[in-house]
Amino acid sequence: DAGVTQSPTHLIKTRGQHVTLRCSPISGHKSVSWYQQVLGQGPQFIFQYYEKEERGRGNFPDRFSARQFPNYSSELNVNALLLGDSALYLCASSSTTGGAGSGALLTFGSGTRLTVV
Amino acid sequence: AQKVTQAQTEISVVEKEDVTLDCVYETRDTTYYLFWYKQPPSGELVFLIRRNSFDEQNEISGRYSWNFQKSTSSFNFTITASQVVDSAVYFCALSTAEGANNLFFGTGTRLTVIP
Repeated sequence: DAGVTQSPTHLIKTRGQHVTLRCSPISGHKSVSWYQQVLGQGPQFIFQYYEKEERGRGNFPDRFSARQFPNYSSELNVNALLLGDSALYLCASSSTTGGAGSGALLTFGSGTRLTVV
Repeated sequence: AQKVTQAQTEISVVEKEDVTLDCVYETRDTTYYLFWYKQPPSGELVFLIRRNSFDEQNEISGRYSWNFQKSTSSFNFTITASQVVDSAVYFCALSTAEGANNLFFGTGTRLTVIP
């Protein structure tokens, strides 16, 4: 069975540009979460979606947005890129309604490494 | 507020040595969950264990064991007879029923096992 798949694996963008990152959850998983991992740090929560509805949002500016599609795949969009947005972006899926706050087990993808120059 | 502290930034051990990775957490919630994840160089986070706040039983899985102590707010992870394949960054994480619907991660401990 395929795990959580993310695309692209690597990306280089220029400051001020826009980027879209994509995630396909494990088959049967309806919840998708996004995390940002800056080099040398632990992942930080950005969004959680379940059944196309936003269920949680971390402390990120409005330049970050996301959506979930009817097939449960998800996109993370970042506008007006800054150098500080350079990071590994991780997507995770789970089979339960709740997010991590309810103890849901998250399965992570390998991430998209975004470099902003 | 929720917080996870992994004071050990990097640890190096020689193969077959035992090693303990420390994790201290902070939360005011009475219901919470603790996790350990392993991040190899490939980048994905690999789930190792999940415990809830009502289950203080220690757990052993092969060479891995976990010591959960609510009295000291710690959830330490021990690898017995370490192997080169154990080299990775290990993250401790916390989620709470009352908090945001997400995992709070520590800053990770990079473990290097020297052959």
